[in-house]
Amino acid sequence: AQKVTQAQTEISVVEKEDVTLDCVYETRDTTYYLFWYKQPPSGELVFLIRRNSFDEQNEISGRYSWNFQKSTSSFNFTITASQVVDSAVYFCALSEVNRKRNNNDMRFGAGTRLTVKP
Amino acid sequence: ETGVTQTPRHLVMGMTNKKSLKCEQHLGHNAMYWYKQSAKKPLELMFVYSLEERVENNSVPSRFSPECPNSSHLFLHLHTLQPEDSALYLCASSQERTREAGNNEQFFGPGTRLTVL
Repeated sequence: AQKVTQAQTEISVVEKEDVTLDCVYETRDTTYYLFWYKQPPSGELVFLIRRNSFDEQNEISGRYSWNFQKSTSSFNFTITASQVVDSAVYFCALSEVNRKRNNNDMRFGAGTRLTVKP
Repeated sequence: ETGVTQTPRHLVMGMTNKKSLKCEQHLGHNAMYWYKQSAKKPLELMFVYSLEERVENNSVPSRFSPECPNSSHLFLHLHTLQPEDSALYLCASSQERTREAGNNEQFFGPGTRLTVL
C-alpha cells in the first residue's frame, strides 16, 4: 500500500503565482514524522521541513508555508509568489516505526515536478 | 555544499563488472542511508546504518552489498548488476538520538548516476 501520495505529478505556474503541493499519507502509528524535500536539477535532495505528529501548528518560512491536518492525513506545502528558482521536484516523506526491525521506515512520495515560468 | 559527498558522480558498467560507490559525510552524523531513485518510481530506501549497525532491508537483491567502516563513510558494492538497476543512487546522513534512525532530517549527497549496460 502506498504510504505517501502526491497526486500532482507535474505543476506549471507563471512567476509570482501561488502554488500548493498536496501530500496525503497513511499510517497506523500515533508517533510519526513528516518531511518535505526539494530536488533541484543538480540532483541532491534539500531538506525543507520536519514535522512530528503531535505538532499540528502550521508553519511559515519566508515564501514557504505548510498546512498539517491530521484529520485528513494531509501535509500540504504552499509557495507564495513563486520564482523561477523554485523549479524543482518536491518530495513529501513519512517516517514511521517498523516494529519488526525496531527502526524507522522512511517512505517518500513519487514527487511533484514544479515548473515556474518567467 | 551539502556536507555529503559521493563518488563517482557517473558510472557506466557492464553486467559482469564489480564496482563500488562511495559516500562520505563531514557533518558528524551517526546514521547513513542508501537510496535508489529510478525514473517514474518513488525514492526507495535500500539500507540504513545507525550507530554503525546495519538495518536489514530484505527487499534489496544480494547483488547490492553495503559496507560502513565508520560513521563517516558508506560504500555500496555492486556485482553482476542488471540493466534495471540503472538509476540515481543517493546517499544521506542524519543525526539520531537513538538507534532508531529516520526521525530527523537527512542531508543528501548529489548522487551517483549508474548505467548498467
